[in-house]
Order: sequence, then C-alpha cells, then structure tokens
Amino acid sequence: EVQLVESGGGLVQPGGSLRLSCVASGFTVSTNYMNWVRQAPGKGLEWVSVIYSGGGSTYYADSVKGRFSISRDNSKNTLNLQMNSLRPEDTAVYYCVRSVDIYTVTRYFDLWGRGTLVTVSS
Amino acid sequence: SYELTQPLSVSVALGQTARITCGGNNIGSKNVHWYQQKPGQAPVLVIYRDTNRPSGIPERFSGSNSGNTATLTISRAQAGDEADYSCQVWDSRVVFGGGTKLTVL
Repeated sequence: EVQLVESGGGLVQPGGSLRLSCVASGFTVSTNYMNWVRQAPGKGLEWVSVIYSGGGSTYYADSVKGRFSISRDNSKNTLNLQMNSLRPEDTAVYYCVRSVDIYTVTRYFDLWGRGTLVTVSS
Repeated sequence: SYELTQPLSVSVALGQTARITCGGNNIGSKNVHWYQQKPGQAPVLVIYRDTNRPSGIPERFSGSNSGNTATLTISRAQAGDEADYSCQVWDSRVVFGGGTKLTVL
C-alpha cells in the first residue's frame, strides 16, 4: 500500500527543537519531490518545505527559513524535518506530502500522511 | 504576493449541485488544484490542473478555471461530501486558499 506515516510530534517549549520523521511505503522517497505542509489549529494549509528528487535541492517558506531543515534517509525511505528555535506560531499539524512538480508550471500534492501535531508552548 | 480568496462557507441541499469558488488575479492563467479535508483527516486531492480527477474520485467532482475565478463543482451532493475544500496554485511558490466549509443540508 502506498502511504506516508509521520512521527515525532509533541509538546516543546519556545526556543526548543523537535525532529519529525515520515516513513514512506509503496514508493521511493528519493525519486519523488517530498514536502512538509502544516496546518495551525482552525487555520488553512501552509507549505513549509520541499526536497527535490535526485540531487536533493531544498527550499523553505520564509516563515521557517534558517530554523527548519528538511532531509531524507534513502536507506530507510524516510523524510525528516529538523525544527529548531521553535515559536508558538509554529504550533500546527505537520503533514508529510508527496508532490507532482511540473518545472516552472505547477506543483500539486497527490499523497498526504495523516499528520503529527506539534505544540509549542511554555 | 499572490492571494487566493475562497468563501468561508457554502451550503447545498442533499442531491443538489454545490459550487465553491477560488478567486485570484488572472487565475485562469494558472493551474488550480483542489483538496478535500474531512474533520480530523488529512487533505485529499480531488481535482488537479483545473479539471482532472485522480483515480478514485467520483465523476460528481469537476473543476473549471477562467478569468479571475476557478470553481469546484460537486454534483448530486451527498452527506459524505461535507468537508473543507481548499484551492491551491503555484506562483513561484505554493499558495493555498483559506478553505471553504461545505455543509450538506
């Protein structure tokens, strides 16, 4: 079965760190564009980061640039998100998402995990 | 920065047709994608590149895009269609609309 399963969410104090992981089944992470998308409680969706297939170029939303780092472990077919210097406004459900990218034309998200909740609070 | 505007809520009678709009400057020149999200669940892609349905999505779901408005149409609405629907485009970055809550009466 093709699926994504996230883990690693939880409660963390402002300024703290957390590492999210996402295990993929039924397809290979390294040959796909993989993203993190988040959703704050009662709010809309917000794209966070992407890692490209192949060479693995990475990109981030301005709101997390310099604080978050996306990576993948090909041997474990896993996507990761290292989150540092966390802020209360980072509180959200974080989804691991596969995307279809058509160069300079569009990107859409065709496979979503169930999400993991990150709460940043003292 | 590019913005997408969706109505907060749309209501439809059971069995009737629901139309959810997504407004943006010259959105007709972009590819629009639509996601359905039921409470407590992850989003699901229901329409991609304006008019295309992924496998497993009923034919009742259709999309159109022209001028400054893209529209998701749900024909013969069912109780199981109650959900939040979000549009999304690419404008040198990913842009999501704020989402529309569909209520089936």
